[in-house]
Amino acid sequence: KQEVTQIPAALSVPEGENLVLNCSFTDSAIYNLQWFRQDPGKGLTSLLLIQSSQREQTSGRLNASLDKSSGRSTLYIAASQPGDSATYLCAVQSGSARQLTFGSGTQLTVLP
Amino acid sequence: NAGVTQTPKFQVLKTGQSMTLQCAQDMNHEYMSWYRQDPGMGLRLIHYSVGAGITDQGEVPNGYNVSRSTTEDFPLRLLSAAPSQTSVYFCASSKGNAGYGYTFGSGTRLTVV
Repeated sequence: KQEVTQIPAALSVPEGENLVLNCSFTDSAIYNLQWFRQDPGKGLTSLLLIQSSQREQTSGRLNASLDKSSGRSTLYIAASQPGDSATYLCAVQSGSARQLTFGSGTQLTVLP
Repeated sequence: NAGVTQTPKFQVLKTGQSMTLQCAQDMNHEYMSWYRQDPGMGLRLIHYSVGAGITDQGEVPNGYNVSRSTTEDFPLRLLSAAPSQTSVYFCASSKGNAGYGYTFGSGTRLTVV
């Protein structure tokens, strides 16, 4: 059974800092990995998708890397802003039915 | 392009009542799923479908039914609501290719009293 772990569970940083969120998964037979953002009381917004054959993806200040063999992914946020405050979820797509398995998330607070 | 549409956004039910949460997508996605999100439990898979006429159970299927008569629609039925089903429910869809992720609806916040 696929299991996804995210560390840390919560993170508070001052504005302007660069930060790294971590995600690990137990079964390396994945199709892809997705990073989502969730604001309080809202739905999930997809930030980045990395296919299993890729090593990284970038979008603006966000960079996600994938090391499938070791079962790890990181989300790097450059020059953090208070608007980045949210919960960040990592999810891997795996199995014959291509289902998503989620981590429990990292709650990020960026202080002005 | 509407994406994934969930209705209703909010619902209050009494214990024992039944209801259907609606989910529709207009992206011709084959794969559709229902998740529930609870504090401290994360997102858990309830039921999923890999195409019209094909459904299967996820991690927490008890108390829920689904059907997939068309590619576009994937309704979730609560048979006899219980307070333990108080949660936020999300529907998601995907093409199922490695290059495509899942798109989520905005969610239904359900309270069972």
